Amino acid sequence: TQLLEQSPQFLSIQEGENLTVYCNSSSVFSSLQWYRQEPGEGPVLLVTVVTGGEVKKLKRLTFQFGDARKDSSLHITAAQPGDTGLYLCAGARVDSGYALNFGKGTSLLVTP
Amino acid sequence: KAGVTQTPRYLIKTRGQQVTLSCSPISGHRSVSWYQQTPGQGLQFLFEYFSETQRNKGNFPGRFSGRQFSNSRSEMNVSTLELGDSALYLCASSLAGAPYEQYFGPGTRLTVT
Repeated sequence: TQLLEQSPQFLSIQEGENLTVYCNSSSVFSSLQWYRQEPGEGPVLLVTVVTGGEVKKLKRLTFQFGDARKDSSLHITAAQPGDTGLYLCAGARVDSGYALNFGKGTSLLVTP
Repeated sequence: KAGVTQTPRYLIKTRGQQVTLSCSPISGHRSVSWYQQTPGQGLQFLFEYFSETQRNKGNFPGRFSGRQFSNSRSEMNVSTLELGDSALYLCASSLAGAPYEQYFGPGTRLTVT
C-alpha cells in the first residue's frame, strides 16, 4: 500500500505552460519533501515543508503543504525543457522512525 | 563539499549469487539510508543506519542486510539474488536521518539474470 499517492503519473506539456502536481495521503506527516530525479541519477532535494499551510517558492516552483499536513502540491509556472524529470514527494511520519515514505512520482516532459 | 558516492554504478549478477554495494556519505553526515527503486513500486525504504546502529528497517526479506562503519560509510548486501531484485539501489546521507533532509547518491543499477 502506497502511503503517498501522486497525480498525475505522467504529464507532457509544452514550454511555457503551467502545471500542478499533487501528493496526497490519509496519514499525517511531520514534514514533506519534494525531489526531482533525472534518468540515471539519484533524486535531488528541491524543498522541505514542515508547517501545515506553508507555502515555499523556488524561482518558478511553488510548493504548498496542506493545513492538515496530509497533502502537498507543486506548481510550476511557465515550464521549461530543463524542468523535465521525475518529481517525487516524500514524507516523514511521526511514527515511522527515520524512514522516508515516497510517492511513485510524476514523470514530467516539457517539449520546446 | 563532495556528494554521496556509490560503488559500483552498474552490476550484473546471476540468480543465486550475492552482492555487496557500497556508499560513502557526505562528510559529517552520520545517517545513511538505503532505498530500492523499481518502475513498479517506486522508491522503497530498506534500512537506515546511524552511528553504526540500524535504527529502522523496511519490509524486505532477511536476504537484504546492511552495516555501517565507524567512518559512516555503509554497505548493503543481498544474498541469494532473485530476478525481482533487479533495481536501482539508492543510498542517502543525512545529518541525523528523516525527517532531516536526505541527499542521494547516483545509485547502483543491479541487474539479476
